[in-house]
Amino acid sequence: QKEVEQNSGPLSVPEGAIASLNCTYSDRGSQSFFWYRQYSGKSPELIMSIYSNGDKEDGRFTAQLNKASQYVSLLIRDSQPSDSATYLCAVPGWSGYSTLTFGKGTMLLVSP
Amino acid sequence: NAGVTQTPKFQVLKTGQSMTLQCAQDMNHNSMYWYRQDPGMGLRLIYYSASEGTTDKGEVPNGYNVSRLNKREFSLRLESAAPSQTSVYFCASTVAQGFNQPQHFGDGTRLSIL
Repeated sequence: QKEVEQNSGPLSVPEGAIASLNCTYSDRGSQSFFWYRQYSGKSPELIMSIYSNGDKEDGRFTAQLNKASQYVSLLIRDSQPSDSATYLCAVPGWSGYSTLTFGKGTMLLVSP
Repeated sequence: NAGVTQTPKFQVLKTGQSMTLQCAQDMNHNSMYWYRQDPGMGLRLIYYSASEGTTDKGEVPNGYNVSRLNKREFSLRLESAAPSQTSVYFCASTVAQGFNQPQHFGDGTRLSIL
C-alpha cells in the first residue's frame, strides 16, 4: 500500500506571507504528483500537477518536487484569507491505472 | 459544462435501508471513481472503473457495489446501510488510465445513516 504523509496542521500564516505545505510519499517509482485544494464542505479541486524534479510555477503557486528525497511541496506566495482551506497531496496508487492515493491533507489558515 | 454531477446531494437513511448514489460525467472520460471522506481519514477509494465495462475494488469496498452503466455513468449502491457508512461520498473521473492523469471531482453526497 502506497503511503502519502502530510502534516495535518493547522498551518497558520498572516496575510501576505508565504505558506509552505509539505508531502512525503513512500513509492520511489511515483511519476506524477498532484495538489488539490478543498474548502470546508466542498469537493477537492485540482490546483497543481508536477511530473519532473524541480519547481513548477503557476501564478502565486509553486510546486516543488524532489524525487530523491521523496517529497513534494506547495508554496503559496502572498497568501490571502481566501487561500484558507485543506490542501491534499496525491500520487498514483496502482501501476497502470489512474488511481490516486491521497494524503489526509494539511489545513491552512490565513489570517487578515 | 457540468463536469461531474452527483445525485442526491444529501440523504438520510435508516440502518438496513438500501440506496444508490448516482454519478454522471460529460467530459468523455474513460475512468471513474467512488471515494468516501471521513474526518481524520482522508479520501479513501471504494471502487473504480478504469474503462466502460470494468470495475475493481479499491481500499474500502466492503458493503458497497457499483455499476458502470455506460461511459458517462457510474453508480454506487449500499445494499443494507450501516451507521459506519455515514460519510461524504465523492465521485471522480479522469481521461484515461495511466500515469499523469489528474482526477476531477463532483460536489459530493452527504449521507447519514441513523
